[in-house]
Amino acid sequence: GAVVSQHPSWVICKSGTSVKIECRSLDFQATTMFWYRQFPKQSLMLMATSNEGSKATYEQGVEKDKFLINHASLTLSTLTVTSAHPEDSSFYICSAPRPLSTDTQYFGPGTRLTVL
Amino acid sequence: SQQGEEDPQALSIQEGENATMNCSYKTSINNLQWYRQNSGRGLVHLILIRSNEREKHSGRLRVTLDTSKKSSSLLITASRAADTASYFCARVSSGSARQLTFGSGTQLTVLP
Repeated sequence: GAVVSQHPSWVICKSGTSVKIECRSLDFQATTMFWYRQFPKQSLMLMATSNEGSKATYEQGVEKDKFLINHASLTLSTLTVTSAHPEDSSFYICSAPRPLSTDTQYFGPGTRLTVL
Repeated sequence: SQQGEEDPQALSIQEGENATMNCSYKTSINNLQWYRQNSGRGLVHLILIRSNEREKHSGRLRVTLDTSKKSSSLLITASRAADTASYFCARVSSGSARQLTFGSGTQLTVLP
C-alpha cells in the first residue's frame, strides 16, 4: 500500500556540518508534505509545510535559513539542517496527506539526528 | 500552549484490561484523530472522528468526542502486550490546511 519513506533512518554528524533528510511518498503523489520534530518523550511539533513548486511555510519560531526545505517533485521533499548544533539533535518525521482523504496523513518512519 | 493536553501521561495495565486515554483541546475542530507511535518509529493512524460525531468504533478501539467540553477519549478494550506504544490525539482545526496539531501523548504499557 501507499507509504512514506525517509532516508537516512539515523545520522550522526559533527557540529557545524549540514545534514539532508529525504522524505518520499511511494506509489502516490504529494503536493504537500509536513515536517515535524520530536524531542525525547515529547509530542510532535510541526516545523514546516513543504509545498511542491513553491516555498515552504514555516511555523513560528522555526528558522527557515537553518532548516532548508525543498519540494523538488511530487514524491520528494528534503529537509536540510544547516550548520547543525547539538541542540538540533532530535527525531525528524515527515508526513504526507493520504490520497482521497481530507485530513489523515501517512507518516514516515522518522530520522534520528545526533549532532556531536 | 497550542497543543492539546492528554492524560494520563503514562498508563500501565495488565493484559486483558481496558485502557482509557483522554485528550482536551482549546480551539474549534473539523475532526480529531488518534495516532499510535511505537518507540523510535513513525506514527500510524488509528481512527478519525468528525466534529458532528459523538462516538466511533474500530475493532477494539472506541473513540468519543464531546465538542462542548472540547475533549475526546480513546478506549482500547481487552488490551494486549502489542498495544504498548505512545498514543497521540491530533486535531485539524477549522480553516486550517490539513495541518495536524498533536496532543502531548500517553505512554501505554501493557504488561503480559
